[in-house]
Amino acid sequence: QQQVKQSPQSLIVQKGGISIINCAYENTAFDYFPWYQQFPGKGPALLIAIRPDVSEKKEGRFTISFNKSAKQFSLHIMDSQPGDSATYFCAASEGETSGSRLTFGEGTQLTVNP
Amino acid sequence: DAGITQSPRHKVTETGTPVTLRCHQTENHRYMYWYRQDPGHGLRLIHYSYGVKDTDKGEVSDGYSVSRSKTEDFLLTLESATSSQTSVYFCAISPLGPSYEQYFGPGTRLTVT
Repeated sequence: QQQVKQSPQSLIVQKGGISIINCAYENTAFDYFPWYQQFPGKGPALLIAIRPDVSEKKEGRFTISFNKSAKQFSLHIMDSQPGDSATYFCAASEGETSGSRLTFGEGTQLTVNP
Repeated sequence: DAGITQSPRHKVTETGTPVTLRCHQTENHRYMYWYRQDPGHGLRLIHYSYGVKDTDKGEVSDGYSVSRSKTEDFLLTLESATSSQTSVYFCAISPLGPSYEQYFGPGTRLTVT
């Protein structure tokens, strides 16, 4: 049972455009929602994370929007650049009670065309 | 890669042979994790450790065992490798605390023929 569903599987955006990746979750015990960025041949790298007590978090060109009632969260990449081309994963965690284990979405392959 | 090394980085093995993957950290973090990454599945947790000799199962633990005899090392063993275990394996570490952040190693690509 996939507890975190991610869409789309792939996304093509023009340079300067906005990339939007969506995730939905089922487990209401999740209380930490990170996004990871992965380049080919590398391990995932933490990009940005949010907790359910806020509806939005912004770090540079990256913004997480969180809708607790809908159990959805999304990553927005503003002014997308070719260097942003990578695979992005959303994830969720119940916190220390579960060993902070992460449940990942299936991933979105983002391509930013120059 | 946050003071995490994995070895080997690549391995090809035959069905039925035992395989051990090693994760080594220099951060002295308490929590360590093993994930596998497969197309269309994201990353899935195999096992994790919350201290020396303390481990627990993840969502895809069948066919895998782990050991942690020192804080810095977390070993993943495939007792008898199968083709379905062909995957990229990632180790992660976490200092825990309020942020729950996990940091990933560079991965091991394992092919079982």
